[in-house]
Amino acid sequence: QKEVEQDPGPLSVPEGAIVSLNCTYSNSAFQYFMWYRQYSRKGPELLMYTYSSGNKEDGRFTAQVDKSSKYISLFIRDSQPSDSATYLCAMSAYNQGGKLIFGQGTELSVKP
Amino acid sequence: DADVTQTPRNRITKTGKRIMLECSQTKGHDRMYWYRQDPGLGLRLIYYSFDVKDINKGEISDGYSVSRQAQAKFSLSLESAIPNQTALYFCATSDNYGYTFGSGTRLTVV
Repeated sequence: QKEVEQDPGPLSVPEGAIVSLNCTYSNSAFQYFMWYRQYSRKGPELLMYTYSSGNKEDGRFTAQVDKSSKYISLFIRDSQPSDSATYLCAMSAYNQGGKLIFGQGTELSVKP
Repeated sequence: DADVTQTPRNRITKTGKRIMLECSQTKGHDRMYWYRQDPGLGLRLIYYSFDVKDINKGEISDGYSVSRQAQAKFSLSLESAIPNQTALYFCATSDNYGYTFGSGTRLTVV
């Protein structure tokens, strides 16, 4: 079993839809949770960063962490065609010195 | 200039050849990483380095080696390339948990 599981999709939604992306994990030591966005032929870029449990909001994006269920989510409101990309969750434990474990990535397409 | 520069961007090589992928960063960070990305498998860690004298194997280091020439430079070598090393390779640097990635090297081994 992989430490981090993410549905690879692909996921296709109409413009304006609410998108929910999810990851589950098995290592209870994970404390740092991130979402990266990767456009085609580009490197991943950091989108959201959350420490421990709770919610974090940044514009149309909301990241949620539920450590009791070992489950994290990224919500995108009012999705736009420019949101079309692959979204990767990533996480790390305190004693791993910043070494991230990534999910498989979910490919999202937002249709006009 | 990009914060993390990878060369080459694309490379086709033959089975058995030795190849080096290069990475340089201008962020001034000590930590550098090499990942490979395959469809459906996400990013998998090959090697990482927390400073010039500290190099560690990741989850898939077999068949690869690295060299940390300076704080800003971290190279990945495939000693004898094989077809299942065909992948997209990314270099990254970080100061804590926010990684900055390069644009990747697409390597094809034929």
